[in-house]
Amino acid sequence: TQLLEQSPQFLSIQEGENLTVYCNSSSVFSSLQWYRQEPGEGPVLLVTVVTGGEVKKLKRLTFQFGDARKDSSLHITAAQPGDTGLYLCAGEGWSGGSNYKLTFGKGTLLTVNP
Amino acid sequence: GAGVSQSPRYKVAKRGQDVALRCDPISGHVSLFWYQQALGQGPEFLTYFQNEAQLDKSGLPSDRFFAERPEGSVSTLKIQRTQQEDSAVYLCASSLVEAGPANEQFFGPGTRLTVL
Repeated sequence: TQLLEQSPQFLSIQEGENLTVYCNSSSVFSSLQWYRQEPGEGPVLLVTVVTGGEVKKLKRLTFQFGDARKDSSLHITAAQPGDTGLYLCAGEGWSGGSNYKLTFGKGTLLTVNP
Repeated sequence: GAGVSQSPRYKVAKRGQDVALRCDPISGHVSLFWYQQALGQGPEFLTYFQNEAQLDKSGLPSDRFFAERPEGSVSTLKIQRTQQEDSAVYLCASSLVEAGPANEQFFGPGTRLTVL
């Protein structure tokens, strides 16, 4: 059973377009992290959101944590080819479980075409 | 280097062989994690060390998998009698402090294991 559902699984867009990817769960997490993973590399942390309703911005990336701490979204404005990669969300502290285990979604594979 | 390093980067094994995968965490990092990432999937937790103590091995898929960190720095993940379903990328991550909420984990590049 996948605790974190990410959508869409694949996304191919043109440079300059905006996009949103989603991470949904029926479980409550104490925090949620977004990573980007490039081929042949490990995931790199982009942001951690902790408080329900929290919004964080990182240049052209906007991250939101749902009020109930069960879901999150990542919005990219004016996507660039350098944004290409696998975007993973990971929940921490699933339903009172250990506060260090990361439960990852399957990821959204984003391709930004020049 | 300043990051987490793993070796080998690629490993091909015949079914039934034993393999050993090495992780060099960032110097001074207390916590060390191993994850398994199958093709098209997100990483899945295998085990967690705090210094030399293995505090959680609940994610190890079978007793063929064994991990150690004897001196609290370098860690080795050993897989005995490899099977085709063990084919995956094995990721190591380290964290500066004892694992806790919102602590940042730094990932290595992974070892891609292919079992023929």
